[in-house]
Amino acid sequence: EVQLVESGGGLVQPGGSLRLSCAASGFTFGSYWMSWVRQAPGKGLEWVANIKQDGIDKYYVDSVKGRFTISRHNGKNSLYLEMNSLRDEDTAVYYCARAPLFYFDYWGQGTLVTVSS
Amino acid sequence: QSALTQPASVSGSPGQSITISCTGTSSDIESYNLVSWYQQHPGKAPKLMIYEDSKRPSGGSDRFSGSKSGKTASLTISGLQAEDEADYYCCSYAGSSTLVFGGGTKLTVL
Repeated sequence: EVQLVESGGGLVQPGGSLRLSCAASGFTFGSYWMSWVRQAPGKGLEWVANIKQDGIDKYYVDSVKGRFTISRHNGKNSLYLEMNSLRDEDTAVYYCARAPLFYFDYWGQGTLVTVSS
Repeated sequence: QSALTQPASVSGSPGQSITISCTGTSSDIESYNLVSWYQQHPGKAPKLMIYEDSKRPSGGSDRFSGSKSGKTASLTISGLQAEDEADYYCCSYAGSSTLVFGGGTKLTVL
């Protein structure tokens, strides 16, 4: 059974940093693109970042470029999102998702990031 | 990276069919066969319903179907059931390994 479990969310002040993690199981992690998708409270879904199987190719939505970094450790079956210079508008539930071919077939339960002073 | 356009809400009675539209541009929906649809119940993670414009995931309900014409993709739900009441999101590949979602549509089963 495919499982994705996010962790690392919490309350952080504007300008602060946070690192999200996603533990994957039930599939060959290193064979899949992986993504982060977020959802602000009461709002819609927003794709945040993609990372290719080898961890070298990474892509971001314009609003997080230069501030967020997606990474992975295939040996640990883990996906990460390093978030710096956080802004109020980054407040959201962050989902980890498996992305076979630019769609998301499995999702985690999400972790809430709140940016507030 | 502009969001795709979906109606804010749609409604239908049990047993009826409804269609949710998703309009993009020549840079996303029209250029690739990579539109996907997601169902999200309150407080839950999204669930994949349709991928690659019209394919259903293994085990997916055949009451859900997807189609596309030009810059507009559509999700049709036939034989509406109470449990179909949820938010629905379209998503399209937008080139250069990026993706874009629609704003979401709230489906109410009357």
